[in-house]
Amino acid sequence: NAGVTQTPKFQVLKTGQSMTLQCAQDMNHEYMSWYRQDPGMGLRLIHYSVGAGITDQGEVPNGYNVSRSTTEDFPLRLLSAAPSQTSVYFCASRRQTAYEQYFGPGTRLTVT
Amino acid sequence: QQQVKQSPQSLIVQKGGIPIINCAYENTAFDYFPWYQQFPGKGPALLIAIRPDVSEKKEGRFTISFNKSAKQFSLHIMDSQPGDSATYFCAASGAETSGSRLTFGEGTQLTVNP
Repeated sequence: NAGVTQTPKFQVLKTGQSMTLQCAQDMNHEYMSWYRQDPGMGLRLIHYSVGAGITDQGEVPNGYNVSRSTTEDFPLRLLSAAPSQTSVYFCASRRQTAYEQYFGPGTRLTVT
Repeated sequence: QQQVKQSPQSLIVQKGGIPIINCAYENTAFDYFPWYQQFPGKGPALLIAIRPDVSEKKEGRFTISFNKSAKQFSLHIMDSQPGDSATYFCAASGAETSGSRLTFGEGTQLTVNP
């Protein structure tokens, strides 16, 4: 199993540009989520999904959109990037009946 | 509102020392308390976790101590090694926090000197 994979690993955007961060998992996990990691702030939940077709907001959802059309994929969209979105983004997944989350390797995003 | 507070922010110990990282939580509905370990350039990985029905859990050199009445839990690393140098995050979750709602502490950067 590849586990949770994320692409790209690094990305630089200009303010106002849009992009999609990709996340995929091959463990057939129902739950998937996106976090952002900023120095001194831990990991903060952006959006999450409890299954295909179902998404919900986390702690810091503004400026981000998600969709879940398949069990495997959970892309995160930035519609109009802002410098405040400079961060490291992690995707995670878990089984419905378990708390343990598996994290991807992260995407480091810089918005200039 | 930060529901899980972690301290210290950074910690330096000598090889063989016992670093201790502390976390405090507010939500009494939390019933799962994991610790994650993160190496530079990598995603967090689950290290050890505890439920509130026990006061201590050991896995190898890593121990969680849990104090339900004080709403605090801590990570102890016995006989620490340079390879333990990483960032450690505590977290908490509960049945009422639907989906993947782990609430994380701010993180502790641990350095173990040889």
